[in-house]
This record gives sequence, structure tokens and C-alpha cells, in this order.
Amino acid sequence: EVQLVESGGGLVQPGRPLKLSCAASGFTFNSTWLNWIRQAPGKGLEWIALINPDGSSMYYADTVKGRFVVSKDNAKNTGYLQMNNLRSEDTAMYYCARNYIPYVMDVWGQGTSVTVSS
Amino acid sequence: DIQMTQSPSSMSVSLGDTVTITCRASQDVGIYVNWFQQKPGKSPRRIISRATKLPDGVPSRFSGSRSGSDYSLTIRSLESEDVADYHCLQYDEYPLTFGSGTKLEIK
Repeated sequence: EVQLVESGGGLVQPGRPLKLSCAASGFTFNSTWLNWIRQAPGKGLEWIALINPDGSSMYYADTVKGRFVVSKDNAKNTGYLQMNNLRSEDTAMYYCARNYIPYVMDVWGQGTSVTVSS
Repeated sequence: DIQMTQSPSSMSVSLGDTVTITCRASQDVGIYVNWFQQKPGKSPRRIISRATKLPDGVPSRFSGSRSGSDYSLTIRSLESEDVADYHCLQYDEYPLTFGSGTKLEIK
């Protein structure tokens, strides 16, 4: 079964870091691009980051550029989102979703919740 | 950044209705628009790919169309399981951008 499973969310204080993971199974992870998308409570979806199959190219939304770093370890079939200097406005459900070219965001994880609060 | 202006923000509908949701792109994005369905407490599910393509497993009552910079999702003969939020996405250009979402509710 094709699957993505996020983990690592939780309650974190403003200014602190947090690292999310996205574990892939059931497909060839080293051939896929990986997106991170978030959804603040009661709000719409916001794309925040994308990494290419071999991890050499990354793209970011302006709202997280310079604070968040996306990476992937193809040997472990896992993607990561390192979130630094967290702010209250980063509070959201965080999803990973794959691009299996030519298909974009065809598989999503179940999400992991991040709350930034003192 | 490309804006995807989605309307309406919410709709009150009856079972069996035909529903149309629209996203207008602020610049040309070609066929690079997906539509997603999101049920309460669940992750989004892709229901339309490349503006008009129905992925495997998506019921044929869903369809996508394009007229210039306007992209539409149509649901025919609405069923109770279709009550959800719907989101459009453009992926022609970075940053990828979503519409603001449409909430379908039953009258």
C-alpha cells in the first residue's frame, strides 16, 4: 500500500525548533518529489516546501524561507521538515504529499499537529 | 505569486444537486490545476488532476473544466459523502498556491 506517515508534531515554545518526519512506504521514494503543506486551524491549505527526488533542489514559500529546511533521506525512505525559530502563526496541521511525476500531490499523509505557544 | 481566487466560500446544497465551484487564476497556469476534497478531520484527497483528468477511483460524478483562466469543479447528483471542503491548487509556478477553499453543507 502506498503510504505517507507524518510524525514529530507537538507543543513547542515560540523561538524553539521542531523537526517533522514523513515516512514513505509502498513506492519508490527516491523517484518522488515531496511537498510539505500546512493548514492552520479553521483555515485553508498553504504549500510551504518542496524537495526534488535526490534532495539537491528545494523550494519554499516566503512565509517559511530562512526558517524551515526540507530534506529527504532516500536510504531511510523518509522526508524531513526542520522548523526553526517557530512563531505562533506556524501553529497548524502539517502534511506531507508526494509528487510522482506527472502527478502532483496524489498521495497525502494523515498529518501531524504543531502548536506554538508559551 | 499567482493568486487562485476561489468561489463561493461556502454553499448550502441539497442531495441530488449539481454543484459548481470555480477558481480564477491571476495569470496563465495552463492545465496545471488540481482539485482536492477534504472531509472533516481528514487529509485532502486529489479528485481532479491537470484541470480535467479524473484519477482512478474518483466517482464519475466529479468533473473538471477550464475556460481561459477560470477552472471549475462540478459535482453532479450530489451524494451525502460529497459533503466536504474543496480546494484548488495551481502548480505551474512556485510558490504553489491554493484557493481559499469552498465548504459544502447540506440544507
